[in-house]
Amino acid sequence: EDKVVQSPLSLVVHEGDTVTLNCSYEVTNFRSLLWYKQEKKAPTFLFMLTSSGIEKKSGRLSSILDKKELFSILNITATQTGDSAVYLCAVGHTGANSKLTFGKGITLSVRP
Amino acid sequence: DAGITQSPRHKVTETGTPVTLRCHQTENHRYMYWYRQDPGHGLRLIHYSYGVKDTDKGEVSDGYSVSRSKTEDFLLTLESATSSQTSVYFCAITGQGKTDTQYFGPGTRLTVL
Repeated sequence: EDKVVQSPLSLVVHEGDTVTLNCSYEVTNFRSLLWYKQEKKAPTFLFMLTSSGIEKKSGRLSSILDKKELFSILNITATQTGDSAVYLCAVGHTGANSKLTFGKGITLSVRP
Repeated sequence: DAGITQSPRHKVTETGTPVTLRCHQTENHRYMYWYRQDPGHGLRLIHYSYGVKDTDKGEVSDGYSVSRSKTEDFLLTLESATSSQTSVYFCAITGQGKTDTQYFGPGTRLTVL
């Protein structure tokens, strides 16, 4: 059975802190790993990492993929209250009609 | 934002009644998905479509059916709603080729009393 496990389940930090969100996976036919941000609405896409792109960066957010150890991390530096959200990790499979398997999410709260 | 709309956005219904949720896209994307999101469970795939009239089950398909008669519309039907189907339902789409990036609609909050 495919598994995507995110940790911690929740965390609270103060503005300016750096946070690291973890995602480990055990899936068949791995093709990609995706990160989404979800505020009080629909998930919005952040990054996709594959064998050909194991590190991505956008502003204060960055992510890496370790295919050997089967995990990914999402780093957020200099956190802001607007970073408060649920962060979802998902894994895509080869030959699977672009289906994704999602983790349960990490709730991040950034205090002023 | 991807051109995805869902209707209705909110619905309250009673146990045993049929309910249909609609997902409409203007991107001409091939793949469409229905998820439900519940506390403690994350996003779980109900059904998906890989083309007009081509659909398949996801991990939590019991009690749900889908139809796709046009590229732009993907309907999710609860034939006889139960309280366990109270949830937030998201539609998602993804394009052709090998991309796995899914883009989500705004969601429908369904309450079954």
